[in-house]
Amino acid sequence: DTGVSQDPRHKITKRGQNVTFRCDPISEHNRLYWYRQTLGQGPEFLTYFQNEAQLEKSRLLSDRFSAERPKGSFSTLEIQRTEQGDSAMYLCASSLSGDQPQHFGDGTRLSIL
Amino acid sequence: GNSVTQMEGPVTLSEEAFLTINCTYTATGYPSLFWYVQYPGEGLQLLLKATKADDKGSNKGFEATYRKETTSFHLEKGSVQVSDSAVYFCALSDLPIQGAQKLVFGQGTRLTINP
Repeated sequence: DTGVSQDPRHKITKRGQNVTFRCDPISEHNRLYWYRQTLGQGPEFLTYFQNEAQLEKSRLLSDRFSAERPKGSFSTLEIQRTEQGDSAMYLCASSLSGDQPQHFGDGTRLSIL
Repeated sequence: GNSVTQMEGPVTLSEEAFLTINCTYTATGYPSLFWYVQYPGEGLQLLLKATKADDKGSNKGFEATYRKETTSFHLEKGSVQVSDSAVYFCALSDLPIQGAQKLVFGQGTRLTINP
C-alpha cells in the first residue's frame, strides 16, 4: 500500500492560465474522490468516480473544471482560465468500496498570482 | 442539506491535559460519523469512525461516541501529547451517491500541545 499520490504538491500560476493536477489512487481502489480545501476550512466535495465513470459532480465544479479518470486508474483535474478564487488545496481520496474509509493524498496547493 | 459544526479553535493545552473537541451535526437519515486528523504538510488521515447511534470509535487514545439524541460526536483524549498537535476535522457521510459516500466536513479545529 503506497498510499494516494498527488502531483504536483504545489502549483503557482498566473490568473487566466490552465492547470492540471494528477492523482494516483491506491491500486485496488475503484472509488476516487476530489475535494477542495480553502484556508481555515474543511474540505468540500467536488466530484466522484467509480472506475472510469464520473457519477457525481458538485455545484462547486463550474464549467471551467473538468475531471477524468481514463481506464479507471489515475485521475486528472483540469482548471481552465484560472481565477483568484481557485486558490486552494485540491485533495484526492480513494476507497475500496462505498462504505470503506477514504484514504487521502497530501494534496496539491494551487496559488494564483 | 447536511452539515457539521465544530468547536472553534485554536485550542492550546499543556501535555497530559484532557482534551475535548466538540462536534455537532445536522443530517437527514443516519449518517456515519468520522474524525480525521491533518498533521502539518500532510493529507487527512482517518482517526476514528462510528456508523450507528451509541457506537464508540476509538484509536490512539482518542474516543468519540455517536450520540443521536444530541446529534453530537465529540472527540476526547484523556492525556494529550505534543505529537497530537494537528488540525482535527469532524465529518459525516452524506447520502450515498451511486455506491459511494460523499464526506461533509466541519471547518476544523487546530490543536497545539505545549510541553
